[in-house]
Amino acid sequence: DIQMTQSPSSLSTSVGDRVTITCRASQSVSFYLNWYEQKPGKAPKLLIFAASNLQSGVPSRFSGSGSGTDFTLTISSLQPDDFATYYCQQSYRFPWTFGQGTKVEIK
Amino acid sequence: EVQLVESGGGLVQPGRSLRLSCTASAFTFGDDAVSWARQAPGKGLEWVGFMRSKTHGGTTEYAASVKGRFTISRDDSKSIAYLQMNSLKVDDTAVYFCARGNVDTTTNIYYYGMDVWGQGTTVTVSS
Repeated sequence: DIQMTQSPSSLSTSVGDRVTITCRASQSVSFYLNWYEQKPGKAPKLLIFAASNLQSGVPSRFSGSGSGTDFTLTISSLQPDDFATYYCQQSYRFPWTFGQGTKVEIK
Repeated sequence: EVQLVESGGGLVQPGRSLRLSCTASAFTFGDDAVSWARQAPGKGLEWVGFMRSKTHGGTTEYAASVKGRFTISRDDSKSIAYLQMNSLKVDDTAVYFCARGNVDTTTNIYYYGMDVWGQGTTVTVSS
């Protein structure tokens, strides 16, 4: 199975800050890497698919990059609505696998 | 509004069975793959299984933790997918989500993750 490792596991930050979350795969997933946002008690929401493609309706402050084994999710200027947990997920090989999540908290 | 709605969750004893349903609306359900994921209390997301559309073979994939116990099926005429869960264990306790699999149409083999999610249904396995 492909293992997905996110870092950091959590971070405390402020509104307006630039946030970067990394995701590393244990083997190449090409560009089949997706990012989700989840708020407490809610379903995940797709933000970025295929490493760098913004899902329809997602604000442009979110961006993704990377290929192969190393990927990054960037929030250019954190907004109050962005405090949530973020997950990466590979859809290159079954079984699909998620990272352990990165919780973005208010400093 | 494109939507998925799960139902069928509840409290069940270890070793028993439960069937979850995922009802789609406002899109052509038969054209799309469906996936299931779960989230145990206080934990991260875990992918459970996947079923391709009939156009792409209608075949299934499962996580090792549920293979042989869980079965995904679909009734495209009713726009419903099912997750049949047998031999349930305490560790299966979780919120279960269904989601639409977004196929990469340049390959028709790979998928761009899950673009529409249901709200989740809670399954508690306990004696």
